[in-house]
Amino acid sequence: AQSVTQLDSQVPVFEEAPVELRCNYSSSVSVYLFWYVQYPNQGLQLLLKYLSGSTLVKGINGFEAEFNKSQTSFHLRKPSVHISDTAEYFCAADYNNAGNMLTFGGGTRLMVKP
Amino acid sequence: ETGVTQTPRHLVMGMTNKKSLKCEQHLGHNAMYWYKQSAKKPLELMFVYSLEERVENNSVPSRFSPECPNSSHLFLHLHTLQPEDSALYLCASSQDGGAGNEQFFGPGTRLTVL
Repeated sequence: AQSVTQLDSQVPVFEEAPVELRCNYSSSVSVYLFWYVQYPNQGLQLLLKYLSGSTLVKGINGFEAEFNKSQTSFHLRKPSVHISDTAEYFCAADYNNAGNMLTFGGGTRLMVKP
Repeated sequence: ETGVTQTPRHLVMGMTNKKSLKCEQHLGHNAMYWYKQSAKKPLELMFVYSLEERVENNSVPSRFSPECPNSSHLFLHLHTLQPEDSALYLCASSQDGGAGNEQFFGPGTRLTVL
């Protein structure tokens, strides 16, 4: 079965430090990848997505992610985090043949400390 | 109202109660989704409606019954739930027509089953 794995359930980091949240997906001929963020008591909001083309994708709030086909990874990065980035981050995959049915990873809680 | 709204935001019910969750999208989309978000588990897709027809039911127990009367509204009818059904229930919508389209999420209904 297709799956998405987020290796870290929690990532603590100090404010203004860089951060990387890891995501690995099942190998597939075709896959679309997404990162969503969920702030407390809110629904999920799209940060960025990879459909095709350039493997480096830039999103909102200064986040970016790189699609790496050989490593089946789509890690999320930010060079300098803020307290307001504290949230749960979800990686998701659309394995194309499922249309809009996303497979989500377990989520990574980013905790930014002052 | 804009985006995807869900009511109620919080719901406490006994195992013998019958209640309904409501979702409304104001985005002109033609596909809607119910997800279950439990602690320490990935988001679980429960139901998908496209053009008001159910296209996916991921083996959800029959005590959950969805209804999609039109492309803007989605309900989840609940009856004789179990304590393990306590979770955050998220509604989402998208413009169907192919993989890669962004799903827009509502804020969720926090359900507690006593």
